Amino acid sequence: DAGVIQSPRHEVTEMGQEVTLRCKPISGHDYLFWYRQTMMRGLELLIYFNNNVPIDDSGMPEDRFSAKMPNASFSTLKIQPSEPRDSAVYFCASSLGPGPQHFGDGTRLSIL
Amino acid sequence: AQKITQTQPGMFVQEKEAVTLDCTYDTSDQSYGLFWYKQPSSGEMIFLIYQGSYDEQNATEGRYSLNFQKARKSANLVISASQLGDSAMYFCAMREGSPGNTPLVFGKGTRLSVIA
Repeated sequence: DAGVIQSPRHEVTEMGQEVTLRCKPISGHDYLFWYRQTMMRGLELLIYFNNNVPIDDSGMPEDRFSAKMPNASFSTLKIQPSEPRDSAVYFCASSLGPGPQHFGDGTRLSIL
Repeated sequence: AQKITQTQPGMFVQEKEAVTLDCTYDTSDQSYGLFWYKQPSSGEMIFLIYQGSYDEQNATEGRYSLNFQKARKSANLVISASQLGDSAMYFCAMREGSPGNTPLVFGKGTRLSVIA
């Protein structure tokens, strides 16, 4: 079975550009989570959805970040405009109900 | 206060030996879940094992077992018969509350190095 699929795997862009990260959860999963991993702060939640509805976005750093889940098989995380401090690994994870969260391979984002 | 504490930044273990990675947690919820994830140098996060707060038996998955001591609020990961491929970062994580799913809170991780 296919796991969580994230794209792109790597993204390098210049400060001020718009960045869009994509995630396809495991088919049938009803929860989707976006996490960010940095050396300084470790792994932290950005936002999560249940049945495509955002439940908690308190981890989103600021208005430059937005996330959508237009259907059960697709979610995006957008940063506009991007800044060097947004450089991190962004993970998407999905779960079925209260089951374990399964992570994608992550997107390594570098903002120059 | 930190919800998940992993006190060992790094550990070494000889191949074929067992190793214990420590994790303590802090919660006032009665219902919670504890998880361990492995992150190899390639970067992906791999789910290893889960323990629910109401589970009376310690969880086991192949060479992985979770030593759950509820009164001490500890959830240590035991890896038996270590292999070179076990070298990675290991994260302990907790989910509080129910029903449904809630975000994971992660510890800072322990880097395990397996020596031949």
